[in-house]
Amino acid sequence: DAGVTQSPTHLIKTRGQQVTLRCSPKSGHDTVSWYQQALGQGPQFIFQYYEEEERQRGNFPDRFSGHQFPNYSSELNVNALLLGDSALYLCASSRGSGANEKLFFGSGTQLSVL
Amino acid sequence: GESVGLHLPTLSVQEGDNSIINCAYSNSASDYFIWYKQESGKGPQFIIDIRSNMDKRQGQRVTVLLNKTVKHLSLQIAATQPGDSAVYFCAEKASTLTFGKGTMLLVSP
Repeated sequence: DAGVTQSPTHLIKTRGQQVTLRCSPKSGHDTVSWYQQALGQGPQFIFQYYEEEERQRGNFPDRFSGHQFPNYSSELNVNALLLGDSALYLCASSRGSGANEKLFFGSGTQLSVL
Repeated sequence: GESVGLHLPTLSVQEGDNSIINCAYSNSASDYFIWYKQESGKGPQFIIDIRSNMDKRQGQRVTVLLNKTVKHLSLQIAATQPGDSAVYFCAEKASTLTFGKGTMLLVSP
């Protein structure tokens, strides 16, 4: 049973570019959440997708957008990259979007913006 | 704003000791709490959770205690092993899951 998988594992971009990160949820899970983790910090919630719609959103600008596909996989898009967007981007999946659903995390995509 | 924080950024223990990692939370609306372990190069790994209607929950070698009166959460690890070395995060959930900054646990053989 595959857990949460993310691709790519590492990515280097320059300022102003756009990036797309991908996530496949754990088998049986239908909800995907995205987090940004800066070095030495805890993960910060970006947004959550359920039934192909953005259900909740954290305090991130509109440059951060996402999508969920019918097979529950998800993409995170970041436009007009800034140096401060350099971070580990984590995808987490759960069964349902209820308040007490356990989140299972992938290993993340390390994004470096130069 | 609401936040979750940890008292100790680094905890060093000897193998075989019991470890206690503490966490303070400030969102009184949070009703679900989780401890995660994160090893270098990996995503957070679920350890144990507790709902607000409980004050203690035990797992394998781990115990979580919740004190809602003082908004405090702790993770106890019994007989700590070198493989327990990692960064530990507490997280609280009201509408979304909010993480604290983490505590690094270092276990010496």
